[in-house]
Amino acid sequence: GESVGLHLPTLSVQEGDNSIINCAYSNSASDYFIWYKQESGKGPQFIIDIRSNMDKRQGQRVTVLLNKTVKHLSLQIAATQPGDSAVYFCAENIEGSQGNLIFGKGTKLSVKP
Amino acid sequence: GAGVSQSPSNKVTEKGKDVELRCDPISGHTALYWYRQRLGQGLEFLIYFQGNSAPDKSGLPSDRFSAERTGESVSTLTIQRTQQEDSAVYLCASSLHRTSGLTETQYFGPGTRLLVL
Repeated sequence: GESVGLHLPTLSVQEGDNSIINCAYSNSASDYFIWYKQESGKGPQFIIDIRSNMDKRQGQRVTVLLNKTVKHLSLQIAATQPGDSAVYFCAENIEGSQGNLIFGKGTKLSVKP
Repeated sequence: GAGVSQSPSNKVTEKGKDVELRCDPISGHTALYWYRQRLGQGLEFLIYFQGNSAPDKSGLPSDRFSAERTGESVSTLTIQRTQQEDSAVYLCASSLHRTSGLTETQYFGPGTRLLVL
């Protein structure tokens, strides 16, 4: 299948360890942030989202942290598994922009068994 | 329930030919988006449909690109006189109606992989 991980920053972790993927955004008007996981040859899969009135949100094994002061977003994956290997994209939505997402370049997560 | 579906899954065409890509959104989703993803890159917004409102075409890269949507269902993205730089994965997403200024989660289809020779 097609690889979407070429020329991307790569994070390599051991199975069972925690992973932290970081993302910087540029527009202070952004009010909605979302993380997607994209496996090779597939469309992006929703992981978790957060609005600008929150600084932390937890899901199953995942946590998103938002630091509006430094315009930084992170995705934490607990007890990383081989099935978590994929490219992870953050995206932002700017208030009043009618909803289209602005995507970051992505980070490739590689989990070693 | 069914997710977003797209067809064809793969398309190989010759430079100069026209192509038409199809997207079936999730039932009940009034918003529909098209994005383009070049190899190893993030997603670029192309066009956005919301109900019966005029579409937001601000992301279309040239007048060779156009899209239509029938009501709140199927959408087609057409690329005329394809060029080699059009080779990419074309992704469709849908979401519920954006209410009260809040963004709704976009759910993506598997994409159409277009190769222009």
